[in-house]
Amino acid sequence: LAKTTQPISMDSYEGQEVNITCSHNNIATNDYITWYQQFPSQGPRFIIQGYKTKVTNEVASLFIPADRKSSTLSLPRVSLSDTAVYYCLVGPSGNTGKLIFGQGTTLQVKP
Amino acid sequence: NAGVMQNPRHLVRRRGQEARLRCSPVKGHSHVYWYRQLPEEGLKFMVYLQKENIIDESGMPKERFSAEFPKEGPSILRIQQVVRGDSAAYFCASSGGAGNQPQHFGDGTRLSIL
Repeated sequence: LAKTTQPISMDSYEGQEVNITCSHNNIATNDYITWYQQFPSQGPRFIIQGYKTKVTNEVASLFIPADRKSSTLSLPRVSLSDTAVYYCLVGPSGNTGKLIFGQGTTLQVKP
Repeated sequence: NAGVMQNPRHLVRRRGQEARLRCSPVKGHSHVYWYRQLPEEGLKFMVYLQKENIIDESGMPKERFSAEFPKEGPSILRIQQVVRGDSAAYFCASSGGAGNQPQHFGDGTRLSIL
């Protein structure tokens, strides 16, 4: 199973772009990179998923270099409501798709 | 949270009682996962089920815990003879398939043991 490493916490201010980098040196050929967001007292929410290069949707972008040993989640112009824990995961984990969560990155957005 | 419904949202039990947690997946999803989150920790996988079958229970404690996903009705996570260490948030997720399919989570059941 590919292990991920990401910063424990980050601070930002409203309106700034936030980039959270995740390291996954042992990523396997068939692994995808997926990011989830979790607010207090809620379940994780899927943000974005990618395999290589760049993926963009209405809430975020995901940048994956050619060697796929790291990835960067980019949140444009954050607001206070983006304060949450962000999890980087790689997988699938075996044939079942179970998710292996790490500690995540706690993003605090300040006014 | 994409239609996964968990109930109850909060459950209080005394030591030795049974706890039953229910999860209704997104309509059309036949893959259900249960995770447990202790305070200040990340989620830990417990069990993966498809309709009427347990596919992977490698994260389930060996005793007192069981799960089912019947042909009709919600998935159930059952904890018998609860102990204080069972206090946690239990999350259910569903997907349309295994592998890299994104999982949709419910808002969890917070279990408190007195």
